[in-house]
Amino acid sequence: AQSVTQLDSQVPVFEEAPVELRCNYSSSVSVYLFWYVQYPNQGLQLLLKYLSGSTLVESINGFEAEFNKSQTSFHLRKPSVHISDTAEYFCAVTGGGGNKLTFGTGTQLKVEL
Amino acid sequence: DVKVTQSSRYLVKRTGEKVFLECVQDMDHENMFWYRQDPGLGLRLIYFSYDVKMKEKGDIPEGYSVSREKKERFSLILESASTNQTSMYLCASSPRDHYNEQFFGPGTRLTVL
Repeated sequence: AQSVTQLDSQVPVFEEAPVELRCNYSSSVSVYLFWYVQYPNQGLQLLLKYLSGSTLVESINGFEAEFNKSQTSFHLRKPSVHISDTAEYFCAVTGGGGNKLTFGTGTQLKVEL
Repeated sequence: DVKVTQSSRYLVKRTGEKVFLECVQDMDHENMFWYRQDPGLGLRLIYFSYDVKMKEKGDIPEGYSVSREKKERFSLILESASTNQTSMYLCASSPRDHYNEQFFGPGTRLTVL
């Protein structure tokens, strides 16, 4: 069985400040890891994913996440946030070859002026 | 672009009614999923389907059933709606071998009175 823990339910941050959203997982098999973003009144969109290869993955809008196998983590970071980054962020995991994603409980990122 | 559409954005039903939530995807995806999203609980998988007429229970199937008669359409059925089924329902689809990247619809907010 797999599980995902997002310890921070809300993260307030000022615009242009750096941010880190934490994600830890547990799994007995090798994993694929994802970050999804949900803007207000919308469905989820894939932000970035780790499947294999380089442990540092990036999105087109400046977010990055690093897969750390020893710490079973996949934290999401951005060096300078914008108001438009205000959204809920979900970390998700699946075992290799499986069809099902297991989601964390989400982190609400609120960017303030 | 992949498009996943859901029949209603908002729905209000009465306790005991039979409720149908419809989801259609236009990218010929094999896998389709139904989740419910509740504050503090993240996304929880209700049912999924990996082929026409095939279905598997997710983590919280009680009180729900599904139907997949055509590849592009996946219906969620609440046989007798109850107030604890008030929630946001999200549909998603994914290709069979695309390492589980799921594409989400905008969601249906269901209120059961």
